[in-house]
Amino acid sequence: KNQVEQSPQSLIILEGKNCTLQCNYTVSPFSNLRWYKQDTGRGPVSLTIMTFSENTKSNGRYTATLDADTKQSSLHITASQLSDSASYICVVGETGANNLFFGTGTRLTVIP
Amino acid sequence: DVKVTQSSRYLVKRTGEKVFLECVQDMDHENMFWYRQDPGLGLRLIYFSYDVKMKEKGDIPEGYSVSREKKERFSLILESASTNQTSMYLCASSRGPGTDYGEQFFGPGTRLTVL
Repeated sequence: KNQVEQSPQSLIILEGKNCTLQCNYTVSPFSNLRWYKQDTGRGPVSLTIMTFSENTKSNGRYTATLDADTKQSSLHITASQLSDSASYICVVGETGANNLFFGTGTRLTVIP
Repeated sequence: DVKVTQSSRYLVKRTGEKVFLECVQDMDHENMFWYRQDPGLGLRLIYFSYDVKMKEKGDIPEGYSVSREKKERFSLILESASTNQTSMYLCASSRGPGTDYGEQFFGPGTRLTVL
């Protein structure tokens, strides 16, 4: 069964600290993996998209890594800011099919 | 910048009413999607469309229908709203054609409450 699991479910960190969010998936055959940021009450916004051949991708203070062998991805946030408080959603695409599989997200809260 | 707009941010309807949710994108994308998002369940695909007048069922189409008469507009219809359709509804679009969706751009969402 194709699944995407994210951990932790929620996380609280101090402003300025780094954090890492995890995504494990069983989707096969794998096409791509996306990370989205969703502010409360808003639609998700794309942070990164990685294909099979990419193992790291950065977008400012956000760095995503992908290990296609172990089917794991992580999103690392450097020097967190209050505006990073949001839900972060991992999405995995299946090759050759019209399917995207969504994780349930990690809720990050950055406190001053 | 891609812009996806949804007709309402908040909507309150009564059980049995017919509800229309509209989505418009301005980047000439071929693919459009409707999702609902509920706590602990993540986003679930209701319907998607590859082209004008084309539609495909997603994972949870029951109780919903869609319409795509123009490329830029994708409407979600609840024929007879029920309380279990209270949810956040998100529209998205992406460039096509092809089975790999590419980057999806989401609208701001419509929070629908059915009383």
